[in-house]
Amino acid sequence: NAGVMQNPRHLVRRRGQEARLRCSPMKGHSHVYWYRQLPEEGLKFMVYLQKENIIDESGMPKERFSAEFPKEGPSILRIQQVVRGDSAAYFCASYKTGGATNEKLFFGSGTQLSVL
Amino acid sequence: DQQVKQNSPSLSVQEGRISILNCDYTNSMFDYFLWYKKYPAEGPTFLISISSIKDKNEDGRFTVFLNKSAKHLSLHIVPSQPGDSAVYFCAASATTSGTYKYIFGTGTRLKVLA
Repeated sequence: NAGVMQNPRHLVRRRGQEARLRCSPMKGHSHVYWYRQLPEEGLKFMVYLQKENIIDESGMPKERFSAEFPKEGPSILRIQQVVRGDSAAYFCASYKTGGATNEKLFFGSGTQLSVL
Repeated sequence: DQQVKQNSPSLSVQEGRISILNCDYTNSMFDYFLWYKKYPAEGPTFLISISSIKDKNEDGRFTVFLNKSAKHLSLHIVPSQPGDSAVYFCAASATTSGTYKYIFGTGTRLKVLA
């Protein structure tokens, strides 16, 4: 039973480059969340997706950031023209809806993005 | 607007004593609350949860208390162990909204001293 898989674990980019972060949810989970943790800060909600659908992107910066969760393949968080302020740990979590009251998010190990 | 607040960034406790971590929320629509533990360079792992129909939930050394009128919850760890040293996040969700969006607090770094 593989957990939530994120890759790469570490990603180094120069200012102006693109960063692509991948997340494969747990088997049977149809919902994916992306969170960002800046140094010495908490987990900030970015976006919540279902297969082929963005449910809530209220935490996503309006420019340069996008996310998708295609019918086949992992969810992708894409950051265009990265800046130093994008350096953070990006966590993906997955969720299985079923109506039970004890549902919870399962997190991946995160991708540490460093922008030089 | 920080809807979930953990006002203590850090806490130190002696091994064997009780650790009490606090969390406050502002959104009265929140009806499901969770605590996560996070070690450095790892993803958060689920600890314990509580629904708003309860005021207490217990799992081994971990107990979560919910005070709906005060919009406050707390996590008690008894007895505290050195392996409990980690960052603890509380999270809240408004399940009746149908969106299953989880809002996290800023975390409390717990250090259990041997």
